Amino acid sequence: QKEVEQNSGPLSVPEGAIASLNCTYSDRGSQSFFWYRQYSGKSPELIMFIYSNGDKEDGRFTAQLNKASQYVSLLIRDSQPSDSATYLCAVTGAGSYQLTFGKGTKLSVIP
Amino acid sequence: GAVVSQHPSRVICKSGTSVKIECRSLDFQATTMFWYRQFPKQSLMLMATSNEGSKATYEQGVEKDKFLINHASLTLSTLTVTSAHPEDSSFYICSARGASTGELFFGEGSRLTVL
Repeated sequence: QKEVEQNSGPLSVPEGAIASLNCTYSDRGSQSFFWYRQYSGKSPELIMFIYSNGDKEDGRFTAQLNKASQYVSLLIRDSQPSDSATYLCAVTGAGSYQLTFGKGTKLSVIP
Repeated sequence: GAVVSQHPSRVICKSGTSVKIECRSLDFQATTMFWYRQFPKQSLMLMATSNEGSKATYEQGVEKDKFLINHASLTLSTLTVTSAHPEDSSFYICSARGASTGELFFGEGSRLTVL
């Protein structure tokens, strides 16, 4: 049974701070890793994906992947109130496009 | 970028009736689409994988006779909830994989309320 674990939160950070979201996965064969943002009542929207160990930066967002430790994280720099949402970590297995989602971490950025 | 459109966004129906939800890929062809269900404060749970021109693949515990999936063209998949009951009330989301990047694009979601 493939599992993706996230702390449900809520994670509260002040505006302008760095928000750090973490995710662990059980399937060592997982190959692709995604972070989605989901506002309440809305569908998820892709923020970033990462395939290789290390860091990947896109604007204020940085995804970090450590396959040996089976964790992936998302850093949000200069957090804004508009970043307040639930962040979903998703993972695909080897040779599969089927995503397994974590339950999400609720982020609250306090003005 | 690739867009996936889902319709209707909200639907309320009486118990025992059937409801059809459409999922369209607007500017790309999708041989495979995925249907998810999300209950409040829960994660997305994959219900089935919809394959163009063939039968859908259902996840364990999902009744294929209750959740009918049709993927008749490369841009349209439909999910029909048959004989809906209040416990079927949920947020249903479809997604399709972009051919060039492989990333998954989600529809806007359909909130079903069964009275």
